[in-house]
Amino acid sequence: SQKIEQNSEALNIQEGKTATLTCNYTNYSPAYLQWYRQDPGRGPVFLLLIRENEKEKRKERLKVTFDTTLKQSLFHITASQPADSATYLCALALFSGGYNKLIFGAGTRLAVHP
Amino acid sequence: KAGVTQTPRYLIKTRGQQVTLSCSPISGHRSVSWYQQTPGQGLQFLFEYFSETQRNKGNFPGRFSGRQFSNSRSEMNVSTLELGDSALYLCASSFTFPRLDTDTQYFGPGTRLTVL
Repeated sequence: SQKIEQNSEALNIQEGKTATLTCNYTNYSPAYLQWYRQDPGRGPVFLLLIRENEKEKRKERLKVTFDTTLKQSLFHITASQPADSATYLCALALFSGGYNKLIFGAGTRLAVHP
Repeated sequence: KAGVTQTPRYLIKTRGQQVTLSCSPISGHRSVSWYQQTPGQGLQFLFEYFSETQRNKGNFPGRFSGRQFSNSRSEMNVSTLELGDSALYLCASSFTFPRLDTDTQYFGPGTRLTVL
């Protein structure tokens, strides 16, 4: 069956450290993958997109890697801050019928402690 | 540019009732998707509309329906509400087709539905 897995348990790290979140998938061949941030009671906010032919993408303190052989994406936040505390969702874009459909993982909650 | 708006933000209904939620996408976006989010199931895709046509549908019962108007605004309806329908309902718009590789979803704040 098709599945997207993100760390189900919360990730607790100290301010200033690098947070690494994992997104694994099975039986999908995504055209690209996206990462979103969601704060409690709010809708997700788009952060980064990485295509299947890209290995790495960076945006300020954020870095995403995409390994289609391992079927895994890693999401890194360097020099983390308490304001980075949120739930982070990965989403796979599956190309079907002429357009893309996004499938979301359940998300990983990140808590950055001062 | 104004973001995605959803109304109402909060709603309390009782079992058996029906409810209609509204979503106004970002100006120029023609695709509107609806998601149900619960603590146990995460973000579950309901359906997507593009140019007034339902283009994709998730695995939800027929009690869940939607439509899109010519101005891209969308509504979703849930009939015969059940306790399990309590969730955050999120609407997302995107500028999709034919720019398939930039299908970034812009989410609204959601409607929190509580079924008693």
